[in-house]
Amino acid sequence: TQLLEQSPQFLSIQEGENLTVYCNSSSVFSSLQWYRQEPGEGPVLLVTVVTGGEVKKLKRLTFQFGDARKDSSLHITAAQPGDTGLYLCAGAPGDYKLSFGAGTTVTVRA
Amino acid sequence: GAGVSQTPSNKVTEKGKYVELRCDPISGHTALYWYRQSLGQGPEFLIYFQGTGAADDSGLPNDRFFAVRPEGSVSTLKIQRTERGDSAVYLCASSLNGRAQYFGPGTRLTVL
Repeated sequence: TQLLEQSPQFLSIQEGENLTVYCNSSSVFSSLQWYRQEPGEGPVLLVTVVTGGEVKKLKRLTFQFGDARKDSSLHITAAQPGDTGLYLCAGAPGDYKLSFGAGTTVTVRA
Repeated sequence: GAGVSQTPSNKVTEKGKYVELRCDPISGHTALYWYRQSLGQGPEFLIYFQGTGAADDSGLPNDRFFAVRPEGSVSTLKIQRTERGDSAVYLCASSLNGRAQYFGPGTRLTVL
């Protein structure tokens, strides 16, 4: 049983469209991280959010941490084929052990 | 500088055999983690080292799994009497401050 539930499991969109991926839990986390993973590679860290209500932007990606530090969202504006990949959220109840969601597979069609 | 490296990238073995998986962390990173990722799932925590000692091995599934980090740098994950259910991608990560973990490419283990 995974502490973090991600939705949707799969997402296929056309280039230029927007998308949002959700990460929810009943547990409180001291921090939450988003990773992107491509086939045959390890996860690559995109962002870490720490404060409830925090919003971070990374070019066309916007990350939000819920006020209660139990949930998060990732929004991609004007998606490009290079955004294709498996997006994983991971929560840290303490300082080090990460609990991952099952991931959202995003496919951006040209 | 170089990232986390893992060897081998692929390992095929037969049920009952012993395997060793190696991880070279980023230079200077004191913390090292092992995770296991099954198909269609996110990584699952196995063990965490701070320096040479295993600070948390609560994720190891049973006593067939063991990991060492004798000099506080390179780590080896050892699996005895492998079973088909051990087939997965084994990921290693290292960090300096605990929160930002940097992952290697993983070792894909297949137990026939």
